[in-house]
Amino acid sequence: QITLKESGPTLVKPTQTLTLTCTFSGFSLSTSGVGVGWIRQPPGKALEWLALIFWDDDKWYSPSLKSRLTITKDTSKNQVVLTMSNMDPVDTATYYCAHRLSAAQFDYWGQGTLVTVSS
Amino acid sequence: QSALTQPASVSGSPGQSITISCTGTSSDVGSYNLVSWYQQHPGKAPKLMIYEGSKRPSGVSNRFSGSKSGNTASLTISGLQAEDEADYYCCSYAGSRTFVVFGGGTKLTVL
Repeated sequence: QITLKESGPTLVKPTQTLTLTCTFSGFSLSTSGVGVGWIRQPPGKALEWLALIFWDDDKWYSPSLKSRLTITKDTSKNQVVLTMSNMDPVDTATYYCAHRLSAAQFDYWGQGTLVTVSS
Repeated sequence: QSALTQPASVSGSPGQSITISCTGTSSDVGSYNLVSWYQQHPGKAPKLMIYEGSKRPSGVSNRFSGSKSGNTASLTISGLQAEDEADYYCCSYAGSRTFVVFGGGTKLTVL
């Protein structure tokens, strides 16, 4: 059974760096083909893909946010970490991590974590 | 503005069928058979309903079906039920520069 859970701060100040951790079970990020992605959703708005990391450490980033994002994995801990620099109030959103089924398709999602950016 | 275009809302009565469109370009929807659809109830995480354009994950009702024509993908829900009322998002692989794009979402109301 695959499960994922996001953790991190609920409140960050503008200009700070956000660090989110996705802790998962039921699969290994050392297995060929496996990937974990991050997707966010501002309140009342649409889903927005952020980043994806693969078993071989290949990384995909949203072109519009690439300069602010870093995604890493710790295979031994079954964790994926996303950092986003220079946070702004428009980055207020629920942040989800998800297991990649194939290509740009996500079959298991975490419950999400709401991050508010405010001074 | 989202990369894929969906209608903001659709509605239907119980038992009816509805179709939600998802229009992209020749760089995403039109070039790859890698469109997925997600159902999201208020306050919940998205749930995968269709992948690779027309495949259903285990456990998803066969009332949900997907198709594609040119740059437009579609999700059809037949035999509408009250529990189908939710937001629906399409998503597509978009090549090795853009990678992943989502639609703006469609709110389905069951009348």
